[in-house]
Parts: sequence; structure tokens; C-alpha cells
Amino acid sequence: QITLKESGPTLVKPTQTLTLTCTFSGFSLTTSGVGVGWIRQPPGKALEWLALIYWDDDKRYSPSLKSRLTITKDTSKNQVVLTMTNMDPVDTATYYCAHNVYEFTFGGLIGIYSDSWGQGTLVTVSS
Amino acid sequence: QSVLTQPPSASGTPGQRVTISCSGSSSNIGSNTVNWYQQLPGTAPKLLIYSNDQRPSGVPDRFSGSKSGTSASLAISGLQSEDEADYYCAAWDDSLNGHGVFGGGTKLTVL
Repeated sequence: QITLKESGPTLVKPTQTLTLTCTFSGFSLTTSGVGVGWIRQPPGKALEWLALIYWDDDKRYSPSLKSRLTITKDTSKNQVVLTMTNMDPVDTATYYCAHNVYEFTFGGLIGIYSDSWGQGTLVTVSS
Repeated sequence: QSVLTQPPSASGTPGQRVTISCSGSSSNIGSNTVNWYQQLPGTAPKLLIYSNDQRPSGVPDRFSGSKSGTSASLAISGLQSEDEADYYCAAWDDSLNGHGVFGGGTKLTVL
């Protein structure tokens, strides 16, 4: 059974750096075709994809947030960490991490889906 | 605004069939598979459909997905009150080094 849980501060001040940790069980991030991604959802708004890290340590970021995001993994601890710099009140959201499965054909990657999600953690940005 | 376009709302009565559309472009839906997520109020999203038309174990066959060109659809037949939720389409986008994209979500109301 795959489980994921997000942890980190519930309140950060504007301009501060947010560090969130996703602790997971039930899978290994060394397994080919596996990844962990981060998604956020401002209150009452839509889901927004943020970043993901592959089993081979390759990383992808949202183009609009790339300059502010860093994703890393610690396979020995079964953790993935997301940092977001220069936080602003518009970054107030519930942040989710999710287990990702990659779909490949002979032509390469054709899709990725998130089949297990954490419960999410609400981060409020306010002075 | 979201990269994938969904209608903001949909509705139906119990037993009806409803469909939710998702429109994208050649760099996302046009070249990659589409996934759908269901988000019940106050809960995390749940994978409903993956790889255009595949249902994870435990998802009723009342839910089905399809894709054609740069658009996709989610159909729910035999609508039930517990289907009232937000539904999001998602896909991988090959532009700008590759990244995930979501639709803006559709709020489904069961009348």
C-alpha cells in the first residue's frame, strides 16, 4: 500500500523560503518508472502542477515557477523535499505530493499519472 | 488560466449520463495521454481515469474516458449523488522541457 504525507510550516512570511517534505512508504524512488510530484491548490481554486522528480534524479518544473522551485530526493529516508523561494500571499495553498507512474512506448514518454496522493498541507503566506 | 480548458460546471439528475470535456493542444493532449481526477469536497484528488480510458482498480465502470486529437472527455453514466465533486483533466506537456498541466476543473452538481 502506497502512502504519502506532506509536512512543513503552516505559516510563512512574505519573501521567506518554504520547505516542504513528502515522506512516503510502499514504494522506492529507485524503481524505474516511478516519480514523486508536487501539486498545489489555492483555496477555492484549481489544481496547479509544480514539480516532479524521477527515479533517476531527473527533474521537471512548472515553467512559470521554475526560478523559485527546487525538488530533491533522499532515497534512504523515503523523502522528497520541495523548496519554494520568495513566498508571496498568492502562494497560499494546500500543497500535495503524489506518487507518479510513467508511461513509455518505443517512442519515449507518453504520459505520467498520479495514482496516490498525500492528504495535503495548507500553507498560508502572511506577515 | 489553466493550460487545459474545461467547462466550469456541469449538472445532471440521478441516473443521467453527463460528459465533461477537456481541450488542449498538440504539445499536451495531442501527443500524450490524458488523466482524470475526482476531488470530493475537503479531500485530496483521486485518480479516476488514466492513459485516456483506463480505470484504476475500484473505480466503477460508470466512469469512462476518451480522447480524440487535442480533446478528451470524461463520461459518467448512471449519475449518483456521491458523484458530486470537482473533476480535473491532466496531461503531460512536451513544451519547455516537459511539465504537467491541469484543466481548470469542472464542478459537477447532481440535481
